[in-house]
Amino acid sequence: LAKTTQPISMDSYEGQEVNITCSHNNIATNDYITWYQQFPSQGPRFIIQGYKTKVTNEVASLFIPADRKSSTLSLPRVSLSDTAVYYCLVGVGIDSNYQLIWGAGTKLIIKP
Amino acid sequence: GAGVSQTPSNKVTEKGKYVELRCDPISGHTALYWYRQSLGQGPEFLIYFQGTGAADDSGLPNDRFFAVRPEGSVSTLKIQRTERGDSAVYLCASSLGGNNEQFFGPGTRLTVL
Repeated sequence: LAKTTQPISMDSYEGQEVNITCSHNNIATNDYITWYQQFPSQGPRFIIQGYKTKVTNEVASLFIPADRKSSTLSLPRVSLSDTAVYYCLVGVGIDSNYQLIWGAGTKLIIKP
Repeated sequence: GAGVSQTPSNKVTEKGKYVELRCDPISGHTALYWYRQSLGQGPEFLIYFQGTGAADDSGLPNDRFFAVRPEGSVSTLKIQRTERGDSAVYLCASSLGGNNEQFFGPGTRLTVL
């Protein structure tokens, strides 16, 4: 069974780049890796998804090494509004065999 | 367009009672997920629907929990004989398919007294 591990909390400052790593040692060959952001009293919100190497969108980058046993979410030039909890999510299987494994979340605090 | 909606936003009930939580997914999304989230924890997967059928219900904690999606759109999570440990935020999400971005609703906060 795939399991994910990520740091409980991180601090950074406005304008800095923040990298949050998630380990998923038992990820299966067909798993995607997805990251979500959650603010208090709201549902999680999709940030980025990848399968291998590097993916970039308008808000973040996702780095996945060749062995895919970890992934790193990179947030460039963070602002105070990036203070939130960040979750990595590993998908296992497809269609009727699909399972979802969420990390415990990393609480990111951005300071001025 | 409209996002995922969940009703009620808050539900307070007494131990032993029956509750129903409703989720209206985004129109056209075939996949629907239910999660439970306790304070300070990540979402805990409960059940996943692909269309009308429960593709994976392995996350339901016991037989007091049941979910339906009879027409492949709206879903209802049903909890019988509620216990205090069932208190949590119940989140619903929908997506175009099993590997696609999930769109979450605001959740229903269930409190069992």
